[in-house]
Amino acid sequence: DTGVSQDPRHKITKRGQNVTFRCDPISEHNRLYWYRQTLGQGPEFLTYFQNEAQLEKSRLLSDRFSAERPKGSFSTLEIQRTEQGDSAMYLCASSLGTGLIHEQYFGPGTRLTVT
Amino acid sequence: DQQVKQNSPSLSVQEGRISILNCDYTNSMFDYFLWYKKYPAEGPTFLISISSIKDKNEDGRFTVFLNKSAKHLSLHIVPSQPGDSAVYFCASNTDKLIFGTGTRLQVFP
Repeated sequence: DTGVSQDPRHKITKRGQNVTFRCDPISEHNRLYWYRQTLGQGPEFLTYFQNEAQLEKSRLLSDRFSAERPKGSFSTLEIQRTEQGDSAMYLCASSLGTGLIHEQYFGPGTRLTVT
Repeated sequence: DQQVKQNSPSLSVQEGRISILNCDYTNSMFDYFLWYKKYPAEGPTFLISISSIKDKNEDGRFTVFLNKSAKHLSLHIVPSQPGDSAVYFCASNTDKLIFGTGTRLQVFP
């Protein structure tokens, strides 16, 4: 399977705990994106990387959120001191190259539940 | 401020008939659009895209139409099949994707 993979698929945590999610993009893709989706909404952009450089962060990404992409391969998204409002599906996507004509391919997502 | 809008939250269509899903956008600078399909508990799957230099793009049963003057695009599925039942999102691509809120399509026998 050469698609985008995410781990874990589900995470249940208590409020105040830290969580970390991992995304492995399609191997030849140099762009990697994180989105968050809540019930009844479309996915909302959080941040993206081109190779190892983080090029843009959304205002949705509070200082409790941090993302990394060391060596330009897999990426991690960490949420510190989780809050109930962080409960959502966290989606990772990757694309080949720059410019607008490259479609983004999504992983299956990590569903976070904060109790 | 919803820059990409899907005003119909749901659509029900009989198998074999045409499904038409609509999408409106507000930013005239948007010039590339994509449609994604999403099943429960899965990530969105890319379906079809269109650049603003075209007004139509076709791929098998799926056709996307773009009306730039009206800032409107639509996805036509002909003929509709039960396996098409899913949530459909339109999105504009400005380096990042800006999604609409989705339309749930139900295709019944």
